[in-house]
Amino acid sequence: TQLLEQSPQFLSIQEGENLTVYCNSSSVFSSLQWYRQEPGEGPVLLVTVVTGGEVKKLKRLTFQFGDARKDSSLHITAAQPGDTGLYLCAGVYAGGTSYGKLTFGQGTILTVHP
Amino acid sequence: DSGVTQTPKHLITATGQRVTLRCSPRSGDLSVYWYQQSLDQGLQFLIQYYNGEERAKGNILERFSAQQFPDLHSELNLSSLELGDSALYFCASNRGAGEQYFGPGTRLTVT
Repeated sequence: TQLLEQSPQFLSIQEGENLTVYCNSSSVFSSLQWYRQEPGEGPVLLVTVVTGGEVKKLKRLTFQFGDARKDSSLHITAAQPGDTGLYLCAGVYAGGTSYGKLTFGQGTILTVHP
Repeated sequence: DSGVTQTPKHLITATGQRVTLRCSPRSGDLSVYWYQQSLDQGLQFLIQYYNGEERAKGNILERFSAQQFPDLHSELNLSSLELGDSALYFCASNRGAGEQYFGPGTRLTVT
């Protein structure tokens, strides 16, 4: 069974602080995606990374894919209350017959206090 | 708006009953994925269809079944419902691989 470990599970910070969320696996990904989900809504795709060592930026969010394509991180600079939500990493494992099936991490519930 | 639609938005039913959840993928997408999200299990992949054919199966119970129709919409059938089946059910779509786009979900409550 391929597991995707996401940490931390909960994060409560003050507005203006920085934070990092981690996503790790013992298996190699062909691609990894980060989603953000608001209560009662579906996950919304933030970014996809496919190349080892890749770094992508989305305003104050920085996404990094590990060189070996087994891990990823999401860094938020100067967090704002609007960043509050559930952040999910999800990967497509390389090899086998996954047919693009996404394996999700358990998620990180981020709360940013004004 | 992801372009993926799901109906109904909410569903309340009793144990032992059967329900059908419906999903319409984004225009042009051939693949539909079904997921179950509960508080203790997170987002769990159930099943994938591609152009009408089942392509991959995840942690889907035998009481659950799905199909994809010629117009590419998909239905997830849940039968002999139990209290533990209460969850959010999402479908997602793409052209077969890569980024998936999620619908707004159906919240199922079994009483």
